[in-house]
Amino acid sequence: QKEVEQDPGPLSVPEGAIVSLNCTYSNSAFQYFMWYRQYSRKGPELLMYTYSSGNKEDGRFTAQVDKSSKYISLFIRDSQPSDSATYLCAMGQGAQKLVFGQGTRLTIYP
Amino acid sequence: GAVVSQHPSRVICKSGTSVKIECRSLDFQATTMFWYRQFPKKSLMLMATSNEGSKATYEQGVEKDKFLINHASLTLSTLTVTSAHPEDSSFYICSARDGLTGELFFGEGSRLTVL
Repeated sequence: QKEVEQDPGPLSVPEGAIVSLNCTYSNSAFQYFMWYRQYSRKGPELLMYTYSSGNKEDGRFTAQVDKSSKYISLFIRDSQPSDSATYLCAMGQGAQKLVFGQGTRLTIYP
Repeated sequence: GAVVSQHPSRVICKSGTSVKIECRSLDFQATTMFWYRQFPKKSLMLMATSNEGSKATYEQGVEKDKFLINHASLTLSTLTVTSAHPEDSSFYICSARDGLTGELFFGEGSRLTVL
């Protein structure tokens, strides 16, 4: 079993829709959780960072962590074509290396 | 925000040659840098972790003699792909951890094509 599971998609939704991206994990020691966005041929950029269970909101983005279920989500409201990218979840503990999900390819069409 | 510069962004080389990729943290000191490899439509695969002034720690299955990593200063790490072969063609990405804040920043990546 992989430490982090993420549906690779592809996921295609119309502009303005709410997008839900998810990851599950098996290591209960993970302490912090991130979502990265990666445009084609570019390096990943950090979108959201959460440390505890619950919700964290930043503009159109909401990150949700449920440690009891080992499940994290990223919601994108009022999705835009510019949100089309690959979204990677990542998690870690202490100063150790991050473990990445496979990434979900998202396309927002006008 | 903090920036990690990776150079070159693209390199094409002949089989058998060596290629060096640089990763620099521009406005912070990076105590730890990570090197990843990414195949098309796949996630990042951690190759090695390098700490300034010490030998890199390689992930299982990554040849340390093939992928030489040097982290000589708090702002620079280099990855050298030695005796490159076409199967080494990939997207290589570095990330750097800010020694003060612990935040992790990624470079823009380097696309290597070996002919």
